[in-house]
Amino acid sequence: GQQLNQSPQSMFIQEGEDVSMNCTSSSIFNTWLWYKQDPGEGPVLLIALYKAGELTSNGRLTAQFGITRKDSFLNISASIPSDVGIYFCAGRYYSTLTFGKGTMLLVSP
Amino acid sequence: NAGVTQTPKFQVLKTGQSMTLQCAQDMNHNSMYWYRQDPGMGLRLIYYSASEGTTDKGEVPNGYNVSRLNKREFSLRLESAAPSQTSVYFCASSEIQTSGVNEQFFGPGTRLTVL
Repeated sequence: GQQLNQSPQSMFIQEGEDVSMNCTSSSIFNTWLWYKQDPGEGPVLLIALYKAGELTSNGRLTAQFGITRKDSFLNISASIPSDVGIYFCAGRYYSTLTFGKGTMLLVSP
Repeated sequence: NAGVTQTPKFQVLKTGQSMTLQCAQDMNHNSMYWYRQDPGMGLRLIYYSASEGTTDKGEVPNGYNVSRLNKREFSLRLESAAPSQTSVYFCASSEIQTSGVNEQFFGPGTRLTVL
């Protein structure tokens, strides 16, 4: 089946720093999604990307759909303590999503 | 508008016991999904239902059965629970639109421990 490689696995940063994480795949996807999961909760959709090359922002978050359709990145600018959580990328080809293994983000005040 | 709801939130079973995890959505979505989440493994698809009356296997279907009871409800059954099924289970729903948009919305999860 399709697999996604998400990196880094974890990050520990200072409040105010910028963060970047990415996902790569050997397969192409039609859609890239980025989710955030808080402890004890289900994943919540942050950004959805539908076209190769698309760059989309949601507040301090920016994500891009790679031109080859095999990768995507998520940037968080000026991190704050509530950014703590696990961030997942997900790629869709037909009706199902394939998820990366997640990037755990810790932010020190 | 509650979105996706799951019951129970927590469950402890003994090996060999059976149980059904319930999921309901009030967004009138056609598609529903069951995932399991294990440490370091991300979310893995167990079963999905693209529309009422249909179900398909995902990546890790063994040991599970599903029922799409109606458009709102999609249940996951463990007939004979095993310790390897200790996990957090998430239900999700989505609507595949003509534009191609297919954003999945997740429930809060069921934390299952099998002893």
